[in-house]
Amino acid sequence: DVKVTQSSRYLVKRTGEKVFLECVQDMDHENMFWYRQDPGLGLRLIYFSYDVKMKEKGDIPEGYSVSREKKERFSLILESASTNQTSMYLCASHFSGRDGEQFFGPGTRLTVL
Amino acid sequence: EDKVVQSPLSLVVHEGDTVTLNCSYEVTNFRSLLWYKQEKKAPTFLFMLTSSGIEKKSGRLSSILDKKELFSILNITATQTGDSAVYLCAVEGSNYKLTFGKGTLLTVNP
Repeated sequence: DVKVTQSSRYLVKRTGEKVFLECVQDMDHENMFWYRQDPGLGLRLIYFSYDVKMKEKGDIPEGYSVSREKKERFSLILESASTNQTSMYLCASHFSGRDGEQFFGPGTRLTVL
Repeated sequence: EDKVVQSPLSLVVHEGDTVTLNCSYEVTNFRSLLWYKQEKKAPTFLFMLTSSGIEKKSGRLSSILDKKELFSILNITATQTGDSAVYLCAVEGSNYKLTFGKGTLLTVNP
C-alpha cells in the first residue's frame, strides 16, 4: 500500500512565523502535490513537483514556496504566515506515466493566529 | 482554465435511498476523471474513468463518463449511514494536474 505521511496533523502558528509542512511518500513516486482545502472552495493546487529539485506553480502559489531535495520528501513553506493561510493542507503523490489516482496524506490543519 | 462543477452541493437522504451525484467539467487535454470520498480525513480513491459509456462499479457505487457532453455521474444505491461523506470529482489534465470540484456533501440519515 502507498503511504503518504505528513509531519503534523494539527499546527498553530503566529502571524509572521515561517512554517514548514513536510510530506513523505514511500512508493518512489515522481510526482508530488500540495493542496489546500477550504470550506466552499474545495481543494486547490498550490505547487507540484515532477522530480527532485523540480517545481511548478499551481493555481494559488502566492505566499508559499516548496522544496524537493529528495524524491520521497516534498516540503511546503510559508515564508511569513498570515491568517488567510489558516486551512487544511493536503499532500499527494502520483506515479508518473500513469493516469489518474493521486494518493493523499492525512492532512495538516494549520491555524495562524 | 480547467473547471469542474459538482451538483448538488449537499444532499440529505434516508438509509436505503438511491442517490445520483453530478460532475461537469471543462478541461484542456483531458486524461481522466476521478471520484474520491472524503470523510473527516484524506480523500480516498473510488473510481477513475477515461472512456465514455463504460460503467465502473464497486459494490453499491457505480460511475459513468460522457466525454461528449463533458460530465460524469456517481450513483450510490441502497445508501447506508457509512456513505455519509463529501464526494469529490476531479479531472486530470495536462501534466497530471488534478482540478477538483467543490464536492457534494452527502448525509444519510438512519
